[in-house]
Amino acid sequence: NAGVMQNPRHLVRRRGQEARLRCSPMKGHSHVYWYRQLPEEGLKFMVYLQKENIIDESGMPKERFSAEFPKEGPSILRIQQVVRGDSAAYFCASSPDPGVAYNEQFFGPGTRLTVL
Amino acid sequence: KNEVEQSPQNLTAQEEEFITINCSYSVGISALHWLQQHPGGGIVSLFMLSSGKKKHGRLIATINIQEKHSSLHITASHPRDSAVYICAVTGGGADGLTFGKGTHLIIQP
Repeated sequence: NAGVMQNPRHLVRRRGQEARLRCSPMKGHSHVYWYRQLPEEGLKFMVYLQKENIIDESGMPKERFSAEFPKEGPSILRIQQVVRGDSAAYFCASSPDPGVAYNEQFFGPGTRLTVL
Repeated sequence: KNEVEQSPQNLTAQEEEFITINCSYSVGISALHWLQQHPGGGIVSLFMLSSGKKKHGRLIATINIQEKHSSLHITASHPRDSAVYICAVTGGGADGLTFGKGTHLIIQP
């Protein structure tokens, strides 16, 4: 059973370009979380999605950032018109069913975004 | 909003030493997680617990719900245990995690 997969592992963009980060959850998981780790800072929650629905996007910057989790295919975190401050590691985690008492999340290897 | 505090921020110890990392949080939770992150690497979930104590190999995690406090212990530490250890909490089944800033652990041979 493959773990959570993220690609690309490393992404370099110039200021103003778009960045697309992909996350394929573990088989059987329909809940996806995106987290961001800025250099020298802790991890921060960005968004929680289920298939075709955004459940909680309270951690997402209001502009330039969007996320989706279509019925088919991976979850996508999209950053438009990237700026240097977007340089960070972006982690995806998936969960089988957060509706029970426990909420175990399995993390992907992360995408390291560098904005030049 | 839950505030998660970890201590110490940095810890350097000698091989074989007993290690303790502490985590406290401000608001009641449904579960607490201990995570491990190696430099430049991914994140591995070590424990998820909501009460009592869990043990896996040389790692032990405890939680005191009344005191809103958890500890991660490493027995017979080894240089390969060198990593950042992160405490994270969730308030409910569908919540994203709230993280502490991590403890940078270095075990010297």
